[in-house]
Amino acid sequence: QVQLVQSGAEVKKPGASVKVSCKASGYTFNDYYIQWVRQAPGQGLEWVGRIMPYSGDTRYVQKFQGRVTMTRDTSISTVYMELSSLTSDDTAVYYCARRAGTAMIDYWGQGTLVTVSS
Amino acid sequence: QSALTQPPSASGSPGQSVTISCTGTSSDVGGYKYVSWYQQHPGKAPKLMIYEVNKRPSGVPDRFSGSKSGNTASLTVSGLQAEDEADYFCSSYAAGDSVLFGGGTKLTVL
Repeated sequence: QVQLVQSGAEVKKPGASVKVSCKASGYTFNDYYIQWVRQAPGQGLEWVGRIMPYSGDTRYVQKFQGRVTMTRDTSISTVYMELSSLTSDDTAVYYCARRAGTAMIDYWGQGTLVTVSS
Repeated sequence: QSALTQPPSASGSPGQSVTISCTGTSSDVGGYKYVSWYQQHPGKAPKLMIYEVNKRPSGVPDRFSGSKSGNTASLTVSGLQAEDEADYFCSSYAAGDSVLFGGGTKLTVL
């Protein structure tokens, strides 16, 4: 069965960076985009960007350009999202999710809580 | 790009129907057939309920249906049940190969 397993919760200080991992299993890793979506406490969903594991091609939301980097390691079916220059506004649950078709997410990771606090 | 617009709340009694709207622009909702709806219970990851405007994934009850007219998409939940109480988010493919989400609607079953 398809599974996306994310790394554990993180606590970071303002200005630091965080790197969240997402290990995929149960399907052909190279065939599906992985998207990253975040959700601040009590707020809605926000698309951060996506990576195509086969090629490494990435697309980021403009507001995160220069601060976010998505990478992958095909040998272990894992994608990573690194966010730098953290502020308290980056406190959120970060989800990785598999994109099927065009912009449809059919499987989600369990989420990783990133807390930015001094 | 701004988030899609959803009403913050909706409600209905068991057995009734409720419709949640999702308004965008011609660069997202109105321009593509790629509107999805997700259900999220507290503390859980979202779950896909509708994709490509009106298609249901396997396992989603046919009480859930989707539609679109112009720049506004809608999710209708018929025969409301207690377990339908959750947050619902719409999303749409958008110009420039991006994705937009709505702000979410909290559905309360009275």
